Amino acid sequence: QKEVEQNSGPLSVPEGAIASLNCTYSDRGSQSFFWYRQYSGKSPELIMFIYSNGDKEDGRFTAQLNKASQYVSLLIRDSQPSDSATYLCAVKGSSNTGKLIFGQGTTLQVKP
Amino acid sequence: EPEVTQTPSHQVTQMGQEVILRCVPISNHLYFYWYRQILGQKVEFLVSFYNNEISEKSEIFDDQFSVERPDGSNFTLKIRSTKLEDSAMYFCASKSEGAQPQHFGDGTRLSIL
Repeated sequence: QKEVEQNSGPLSVPEGAIASLNCTYSDRGSQSFFWYRQYSGKSPELIMFIYSNGDKEDGRFTAQLNKASQYVSLLIRDSQPSDSATYLCAVKGSSNTGKLIFGQGTTLQVKP
Repeated sequence: EPEVTQTPSHQVTQMGQEVILRCVPISNHLYFYWYRQILGQKVEFLVSFYNNEISEKSEIFDDQFSVERPDGSNFTLKIRSTKLEDSAMYFCASKSEGAQPQHFGDGTRLSIL
C-alpha cells in the first residue's frame, strides 16, 4: 500500500514565525510532490510543487525534497493568521495516470 | 484565471437513489480525476480519465460508480444506488499534461439520507 504520512498536528506557531510542515512517502518511484492548502469545508488549493531534490522557493513558501530519505517539507516564513489551514502533502507515484496520493494533512494554527 | 467548476455545490439524496455529479474541467486540460473526502479523513483518489477512457480506478470505484465525458466540456461522476457511506465531498480535478499539477474544483458535498 503506497502511503503518504503527515503529522496531523495541530502545529501552532506565533505570527511572524517560520512554520515547518513535513511529509514522508513510501513509494520510491514517486515523481512529483505537491503541497495543497485546504481551509475547512473548502477544496484543496495548490501552494507549491517540486520535482527535483533540493529547495524550491516561491515568495514566503519553500518546498524541500529529499528523495533518498523519501521526505518532502514545506516552510512558511513570516507566518500570518491567514495561513491557518490544513496543509495537504500529495504525491504522484510511479503510476503514469497522474493520480495523487494524499496525506491526512497537518493543521497549522498561526496565533496573532 | 481558468478554473474547474462543479455542480451542484450540495446534493442531498435518499439512500438507494442515483446521483450525477457534474464537472467542467479547465478547457485545454487533458487529464481528469475524481477524488472524495469523507468528513475528517484524507482526500482519496477514485478514478482518472484520459483520451475518453478510464486510465486508472481505485478499489473504492466499484460497479456502482461510473464516469462519462458526454461532450467536449463536461465530466460526470454517476453513483448508482447510493449508500450512507457515500456521503462525502467529491472533488473533480484536471491537469494539462505530464507533470503539471492538478487543479481542483470547489467540490460537491453529497449527503445521503
